[in-house]
Amino acid sequence: AQKITQTQPGMFVQEKEAVTLDCTYDTSDQSYGLFWYKQPSSGEMIFLIYQGSYDEQNATEGRYSLNFQKARKSANLVISASQLGDSAMYFCAMRSGTYKYIFGTGTRLKVLA
Amino acid sequence: DVKVTQSSRYLVKRTGEKVFLECVQDMDHENMFWYRQDPGLGLRLIYFSYDVKMKEKGDIPEGYSVSREKKERFSLILESASTNQTSMYLCASSRQVVDEQYFGPGTRLTVT
Repeated sequence: AQKITQTQPGMFVQEKEAVTLDCTYDTSDQSYGLFWYKQPSSGEMIFLIYQGSYDEQNATEGRYSLNFQKARKSANLVISASQLGDSAMYFCAMRSGTYKYIFGTGTRLKVLA
Repeated sequence: DVKVTQSSRYLVKRTGEKVFLECVQDMDHENMFWYRQDPGLGLRLIYFSYDVKMKEKGDIPEGYSVSREKKERFSLILESASTNQTSMYLCASSRQVVDEQYFGPGTRLTVT
């Protein structure tokens, strides 16, 4: 069965420190994509970063990087130099097959001043 | 920038009413999606459309229908609203089906 698991319901991080948000996935497809989205309190989901199953390099976008470990089926999001504006809900998602998107239950991150 | 708009941020309806949620995107995207978001359950796909008048059921289509008469507009219809349809509804679009999705601000629907 296809599944995304985010085991951390909530996390705290001190401003300017790095934080890792965990995501594990399960799929029998060879071709799939992994996404991270941020949802601030305003409600709008914002795309952060993407990793394809055949990509050999870990994806990076500014302060965001995706630690992709295919054998372990994990796709953790690393946020470097946390900012107060990073406080939000973060969702890991997988696109497997054609249009099938599966989202995790999310991790609420709170950045402390 | 891609803009996805939804007709209402907040909506309160009575049980049994027919409810229309509208979504419009301005980037000529082929694909549009409707999700519902509930605490502890993440986002669940209700319906997906990959072209005008084309649709596919998602994971939880029961009690919902959709309409896509124009490329930029994707409507979610609750034929007879029930209290268990109280939720946040998110619309999204993407250029290719494998691409990242762009989301609207969401509609928080309460059915009393």
